[in-house]
Amino acid sequence: NAGVTQTPKFQVLKTGQSMTLQCAQDMNHEYMSWYRQDPGMGLRLIHYSVGAGITDQGEVPNGYNVSRSTTEDFPLRLLSAAPSQTSVYFCASSYSIFGEKLFFGSGTQLSVL
Amino acid sequence: AQTVTQSQPEMSVQEAETVTLSCTYDTSENNYYLFWYKQPPSRQMILVIRQEAYKQQNATENRFSVNFQKAAKSFSLKISDSQLGDTAMYFCAFIETSGSRLTFGEGTQLTVNP
Repeated sequence: NAGVTQTPKFQVLKTGQSMTLQCAQDMNHEYMSWYRQDPGMGLRLIHYSVGAGITDQGEVPNGYNVSRSTTEDFPLRLLSAAPSQTSVYFCASSYSIFGEKLFFGSGTQLSVL
Repeated sequence: AQTVTQSQPEMSVQEAETVTLSCTYDTSENNYYLFWYKQPPSRQMILVIRQEAYKQQNATENRFSVNFQKAAKSFSLKISDSQLGDTAMYFCAFIETSGSRLTFGEGTQLTVNP
């Protein structure tokens, strides 16, 4: 049972480049989400999904796209990377968002130069 | 919008002593959940404890306990008999049962000194 698998662990991009952060879970969780972690700001919600085919914006969605074609996968796309997107990104999942424990991936350290 | 505030960016404690981390939140809802997550240097996020707002009894998990003051919208975490492995960033988090967004506080970096 792998839990939440997040790749890559580290990535360096140049301004304007695009990339996709991958997230997969094997626990049949309906709820999946992406957070970014910045010093002094905690974790901020980027996008989330309550099931396949359903996504919604979080607190800081600009510059990011998501899709949820299957229950297992929830990729995060950076369309045109900017230095302000330098951060640590976490994918998380749970059976239900209401009171359930969130299972987190190991994080992606992204630097945009 | 719901907000969660952790007013202590950094704290330190001596091994075996007790420390309390503070958290306040803002909501007009009556039903919600509160959490404390721990993030050690490995960066892995670990659930420490959870509290349902409708329960008056404070949650406890071994050396970790909370002081939940619903009227004051306060949710502090007490760590007893602190251990070196407790050194980590601690995040308070909140979700209303009518919502679908888990909101985190800014975090408190706790250092346990030998």
